[in-house]
Amino acid sequence: ETGVTQSPTHLIKTRGQQVTLRCSSQSGHNTVSWYQQALGQGPQFIFQYYREEENGRGNFPPRFSGLQFPNYSSELNVNALELDDSALYLCASSSGGAGGEKLFFGSGTQLSVL
Amino acid sequence: AQRVTQPEKLLSVFKGAPVELKCNYSYSGSPELFWYVQYSRQRLQLLLRHISRESIKGFTADLNKGETSFHLKKPFAQEEDSAMYYCALQVASNTGKLIFGQGTTLQVKP
Repeated sequence: ETGVTQSPTHLIKTRGQQVTLRCSSQSGHNTVSWYQQALGQGPQFIFQYYREEENGRGNFPPRFSGLQFPNYSSELNVNALELDDSALYLCASSSGGAGGEKLFFGSGTQLSVL
Repeated sequence: AQRVTQPEKLLSVFKGAPVELKCNYSYSGSPELFWYVQYSRQRLQLLLRHISRESIKGFTADLNKGETSFHLKKPFAQEEDSAMYYCALQVASNTGKLIFGQGTTLQVKP
């Protein structure tokens, strides 16, 4: 059984650029949630995808968008990057649009915006 | 407003001492609360949830609706308990939408 994998592990971008982060869910899981964790803070919910549809969204602007593919892997896209987007981005997978107790987290992608 | 507050950024205790990591929440509905833990160089993982009322690695947490608290306790801390602990509130059932506190670093000294 493979766990949640995220790529890349680190990324440096310039303000105004666009970025795509990727997540492969744990085997057997059909739901992916994305979180942003700024330095010294707890993770903040961005959105969740269940069976390729967005299933809940946090307080993030539309320039944060996502996709889920038929194999349940997912992408997080951020347009027009701002300095405050610098953070660790965590992906978590679960099965059946389940609640928090069944979230399995990846190691994250560290994004730096200069 | 929906909020989770962990008032201590750092809690330092000696091995064998009791531990209490504080968590207070603000939520108008019926809360579902969790404790997540992140050990050094490991992923964030679920420690326990209030509904199961179980003890994991000697830790327990009781939901107190009157005080809107969900403190994590362990009677005798071990060095391997040193980690970052996050309290989280689920605000929408059947989604992965959790509101996390800022986290408390637990340092257990020998």
